[in-house]
Amino acid sequence: NAGVTQTPKFRILKIGQSMTLQCTQDMNHNYMYWYRQDPGMGLKLIYYSVGAGITDKGEVPNGYNVSRSTTEDFPLRLELAAPSQTSVYFCASSYEDEQYFGPGTRLTVT
Amino acid sequence: GQNIDQPTEMTATEGAIVQINCTYQTSGFNGLFWYQQHAGEAPTFLSYNVLDGLEEKGRFSSFLSRSKGYSYLLLKELQMKDSASYLCAVSRLTGGGNKLTFGTGTQLKVEL
Repeated sequence: NAGVTQTPKFRILKIGQSMTLQCTQDMNHNYMYWYRQDPGMGLKLIYYSVGAGITDKGEVPNGYNVSRSTTEDFPLRLELAAPSQTSVYFCASSYEDEQYFGPGTRLTVT
Repeated sequence: GQNIDQPTEMTATEGAIVQINCTYQTSGFNGLFWYQQHAGEAPTFLSYNVLDGLEEKGRFSSFLSRSKGYSYLLLKELQMKDSASYLCAVSRLTGGGNKLTFGTGTQLKVEL
């Protein structure tokens, strides 16, 4: 099992550009999550999904959108990138309790 | 609302024991996780406490007191590779599985 994979690993965006962060898991987990982590801070929940076709907002959803068309994939969309979205983005999945994290995407918006 | 507090940083000596505390205030508490995160890497699971008491797993132990809103992570026989950030995360059981709220992390530095 590859676990949770994320692409790309790094990305630099200009203000106003859009992009999609990809996340895939091969553990057949129903629950998937997107977090962002700013330097020296904990992780903050952006969006989560309890299964294919079902998504809901987390703590900091503004400026982001998600979709969950399959159990495996949970992409995160940034429509109009802003400098405040410079962060490291982690995708995670879980069956029940323990969440498994992907390696992260380091995004810089300039 | 939720509030999670843990020390920002700690320093300890190789071979010693260190205790990292975490206090929390939350509604709908379901359990408490500890994750380890090395610089530039993803968090990795260390422990999960639902009931009061001590859970031991090798060199790592975690304690929970639900009535006091308090947990600690105990690391024994410290090794240099234990230098990392330790994240305390409170779990609230909702329709969205275990939604986690993370503390800001405790940066542990292990010295010779």
